[in-house]
Amino acid sequence: AQSVTQLDSHVSVSEGTPVLLRCNYSSSYSPSLFWYVQHPNKGLQLLLKYTSAATLVKGINGFEAEFKKSETSFHLTKPSAHMSDAAEYFCVVSANTGFQKLVFGTGTRLLVSP
Amino acid sequence: NAGVTQTPKFRVLKTGQSMTLLCAQDMNHEYMYWYRQDPGMGLRLIHYSVGEGTTAKGEVPDGYNVSRLKKQNFLLGLESAAPSQTSVYFCASNQGMNTEAFFGQGTRLTVV
Repeated sequence: AQSVTQLDSHVSVSEGTPVLLRCNYSSSYSPSLFWYVQHPNKGLQLLLKYTSAATLVKGINGFEAEFKKSETSFHLTKPSAHMSDAAEYFCVVSANTGFQKLVFGTGTRLLVSP
Repeated sequence: NAGVTQTPKFRVLKTGQSMTLLCAQDMNHEYMYWYRQDPGMGLRLIHYSVGEGTTAKGEVPDGYNVSRLKKQNFLLGLESAAPSQTSVYFCASNQGMNTEAFFGQGTRLTVV
């Protein structure tokens, strides 16, 4: 079985400062991990994904995440926040075997102040 | 290229009424999903389908039924709506293991 825990329900940063959104996962099999972003009243958009290749994954809009098996973590980072980054972010896990459903975390709302 | 389209976008139902939410995808994806999103709970899987003519229960299937008669369409039905089904519903599709899931814009349903 797979599960994912997003450690912060809200994160507040100032524009131009670094962003860190934390995610820990649990999986019975080798996992695939994703980060999705949801802007207000919109659907979800894929930011980046890890599927057993390079452990440092680069995504869109300057975001990246590092897969750390020893820590069962997949934290999302960005060096410098922009106002347009304000949104809800979801960490998602699946398993690299057969058909495995996507399992979502509860989300982290990122607030960016001027 | 429309991607995943959900209809309707908004709906208000009275308790006990029925309705069907339609999801259509034009990417020839095998897998389709229905999720509900509630504050503080992320997205929870209601039902999913691994191909035309197949459906399976997800995490929170009670009170919902689904059908996938055509590969491109995945219907979610509420036979007798309850206030607990007030939520935002998202449909998604993908081609399989490790592939990106594409989401519709959501349906905001209120049951009064």
